[in-house]
Amino acid sequence: QSVLTQPPSASETPGQRVTISCSGSRSNIGNNPVIWYQQLPGTAPKLLIYNNDQRPSGVPDRFSGSKSGTSASLAISGLQSGDEADYYCAAWDGSLSGFVFGTGTTVTVL
Amino acid sequence: EVQLVESGGGLVQPGGSLRLSCEASGFTFSDYWMSWVRQATGKGLEWVANIKQDGSVKYYVDSVKGRFTISRDNAKNSLYLQMNSLRAEDTAVYYCARALGSGDCSWGRGALVTVSS
Repeated sequence: QSVLTQPPSASETPGQRVTISCSGSRSNIGNNPVIWYQQLPGTAPKLLIYNNDQRPSGVPDRFSGSKSGTSASLAISGLQSGDEADYYCAAWDGSLSGFVFGTGTTVTVL
Repeated sequence: EVQLVESGGGLVQPGGSLRLSCEASGFTFSDYWMSWVRQATGKGLEWVANIKQDGSVKYYVDSVKGRFTISRDNAKNSLYLQMNSLRAEDTAVYYCARALGSGDCSWGRGALVTVSS
């Protein structure tokens, strides 16, 4: 049950900046922290951003997250070929009493 | 080093049962909420179930309620997912995850479950 909406794809040339949006509702993004995961081809997801805008150790500061109301965004600056992956937003949904993921966005480096 | 290793996946007929296991190491297992997340081939991530540190609280996605049961054995550092009445739409890679949604989040490599006759 993907209740968080993301654009299916995003692309930019190396070195540029790409932004991915994540739209939800009051019961999820509006009242709970947003998480972002990166899934490289053929691998398990990896934590990229937690608590809306916090980076775990080891994640480059080229990745940044933000949240406003019932929407969130992930920005990748200085785009590199190694950033080609699927990106998912996620949040706890209090109405569903469950965790919800976004529909996923495939980032392509042109 | 945090490690989560899933096992128990395989091919099962519709209506059948399967039990997935996730063996944890490198951290104090009993300190964390644990989760199962699945991903059908070429599709997005879908959260399946969560279980509290002591096993007293469990949550499930609607599509598996009454069919799947999440459990844990803290003495064995293990998480389980008992899957009954399996359907074709349950076919997916099932990931075990620690502290989903927090800064301590880690994922296993996944176990493939195929439901087919």
